[in-house]
Amino acid sequence: QQQVKQSPQSLIVQKGGISIINCAYENTAFDYFPWYQQFPGKGPALLIAIRPDVSEKKEGRFTISFNKSAKQFSLHIMDSQPGDSATYFCAASIAGANSKLTFGKGITLSVRP
Amino acid sequence: KAGVTQTPRYLIKTRGQQVTLSCSPISGHRSVSWYQQTPGQGLQFLFEYFSETQRNKGNFPGRFSGRQFSNSRSEMNVSTLELGDSALYLCASSPGQGSYNEQFFGPGTRLTVL
Repeated sequence: QQQVKQSPQSLIVQKGGISIINCAYENTAFDYFPWYQQFPGKGPALLIAIRPDVSEKKEGRFTISFNKSAKQFSLHIMDSQPGDSATYFCAASIAGANSKLTFGKGITLSVRP
Repeated sequence: KAGVTQTPRYLIKTRGQQVTLSCSPISGHRSVSWYQQTPGQGLQFLFEYFSETQRNKGNFPGRFSGRQFSNSRSEMNVSTLELGDSALYLCASSPGQGSYNEQFFGPGTRLTVL
């Protein structure tokens, strides 16, 4: 049973456009939701994270929107750049339950020049 | 601060052999987690160590084991390798305390089993 589901599976966006990646989770005990970015040959890098006590968090061009009742959260990349082309993973964990992260399958974002 | 380092970066083994991978966490971090990344299954949690004790374990067979040393460095071992063990093995470190532990990943060890 996949506890964190990402959509779409892949995404192509023009430079300057908005990239939107969605995640849905099943376990209502999850209360920490990070997004990771991974380039080929590298480990995942933490982009931005949110807790369920806020509905939105913005850091530069990256914004997380969180909908607790729908058990969904999404990543918005504004003014997408070719350098944003990477694989993006959403994840979830339970605060206090150690450091175990449950990841979505990941989506490949391509930003066309 | 230096990031998480993993050695070796690449490994080629044959079925039935065993392998040991190493991870050095960010200085001051006491928690080390291991993940397996494959194209089919994505990123899957293996186990976490904190202060030399296994604090959490994922759903992997007993062939996968790990340990942590007093300096927080960690090793994971896979015995009796199978073809399906071919994967990128990632190590992540975090401070280990507090409710929301940011995890920082290393570059991974690419294991190929022939």
